[in-house]
Amino acid sequence: GAVVSQHPSWVICKSGTSVKIECRSLDFQATTMFWYRQFPKQSLMLMATSNEGSKATYEQGVEKDKFLINHASLTLSTLTVTSAHPEDSSFYICRVGGGGAEQYFGPGTRLTVT
Amino acid sequence: GESVGLHLPTLSVQEGDNSIINCAYSNSASDYFIWYKQESGKGPQFIIDIRSNMDKRQGQRVTVLLNKTVKHLSLQIAATQPGDSAVYFCAERGGKLIFGQGTELSVKP
Repeated sequence: GAVVSQHPSWVICKSGTSVKIECRSLDFQATTMFWYRQFPKQSLMLMATSNEGSKATYEQGVEKDKFLINHASLTLSTLTVTSAHPEDSSFYICRVGGGGAEQYFGPGTRLTVT
Repeated sequence: GESVGLHLPTLSVQEGDNSIINCAYSNSASDYFIWYKQESGKGPQFIIDIRSNMDKRQGQRVTVLLNKTVKHLSLQIAATQPGDSAVYFCAERGGKLIFGQGTELSVKP
């Protein structure tokens, strides 16, 4: 099965700065990757669908200018949180798409904005 | 829309007992359902899935039941162990993969 990694696993940044999170599919070529956000004690919320070579599709209520997604290759998608604020502190998780690939999530990235 | 809970319901069971975790789904057109286990600070881990044309599927120590009439999904864990302590999410796929609220399972030794 697909192995998915995320980097960094945790990051602390100051309010107003930008943070980039990487999601890599190590052994599976993914034309589609998904980004989720999870607040403490809550479920996973789909933020956006990352499409290789084209623009990402954002869910309603997710600011595309704040959460920049780039899917430049079949194995890498990046999520950049721009001008981060404390309310952006969350657990960000990616998932690899593809037939039967609902199984493959990354380990998550814990973002804390101070 | 997305299913987001304000808090997680909890289930506490004694080690060795069977656990039943329930989930209600919303989209009658969903064709595929999955149960995930999520340990603290980690990403969701696939447990078992079931297609909408089935009503039961068994894995190792786990069984998923699907009742499409009432749009209900359950996960049964046999002989629950301390290592089963985690948050369990159901998810439905009807186009997108949508997560349910989640249940926190606590296993008492």
